[in-house]
Amino acid sequence: KAGVTQTPRYLIKTRGQQVTLSCSPISGHRSVSWYQQTPGQGLQFLFEYFSETQRNKGNFPGRFSGRQFSNSRSEMNVSTLELGDSALYLCASSLMTGGYGYTFGSGTRLTVV
Amino acid sequence: DQQVKQNSPSLSVQEGRISILNCDYTNSMFDYFLWYKKYPAEGPTFLISISSIKDKNEDGRFTVFLNKSAKHLSLHIVPSQPGDSAVYFCAASFGGATNKLIFGTGTLLAVQP
Repeated sequence: KAGVTQTPRYLIKTRGQQVTLSCSPISGHRSVSWYQQTPGQGLQFLFEYFSETQRNKGNFPGRFSGRQFSNSRSEMNVSTLELGDSALYLCASSLMTGGYGYTFGSGTRLTVV
Repeated sequence: DQQVKQNSPSLSVQEGRISILNCDYTNSMFDYFLWYKKYPAEGPTFLISISSIKDKNEDGRFTVFLNKSAKHLSLHIVPSQPGDSAVYFCAASFGGATNKLIFGTGTLLAVQP
């Protein structure tokens, strides 16, 4: 079966712009979580959606937002991009919620110049 | 505040020998721990997990040990193979009704042929 699909794979944006990243979970999975990976910081939790509702949010500024659609696909948006937003953004899906691990996509590499 | 710490950024091991990756945590409320492996340009892949009610879990060449009193877990890989060369992340969860995982910063394992 198809895995978690993230688009686009690579993105270059200019400071001040906004960006939208997309994630299609594994078919049947209802939970989607987003993480930011930067060198030296590991993976930092952004937010989790389950059945179109945000269940949890990490410690990121309000410029980072997300949503989930009725087909479980999710998008995250970053407004007013800063250089420090350059990172690998990873999406993960699971059947249910409960913190027992999930399947990650390959990520979107965002570079802000 | 880094609740999950991997103090060794890198580890080099000879093929066939044992690899031991370590992880410390500070929050005694974590009830589930996971290890993920990550290759460049790919998302993390789930490797093995352990519940806080156990102190050991085995899956083939991979064994995870949990020492709750020391708030320490370790991943043993025996025997190590060149294909095991990757970044290994430990993660912790509060379980319950959230999918939020707290990740360490990762350890780069290099298995030398």
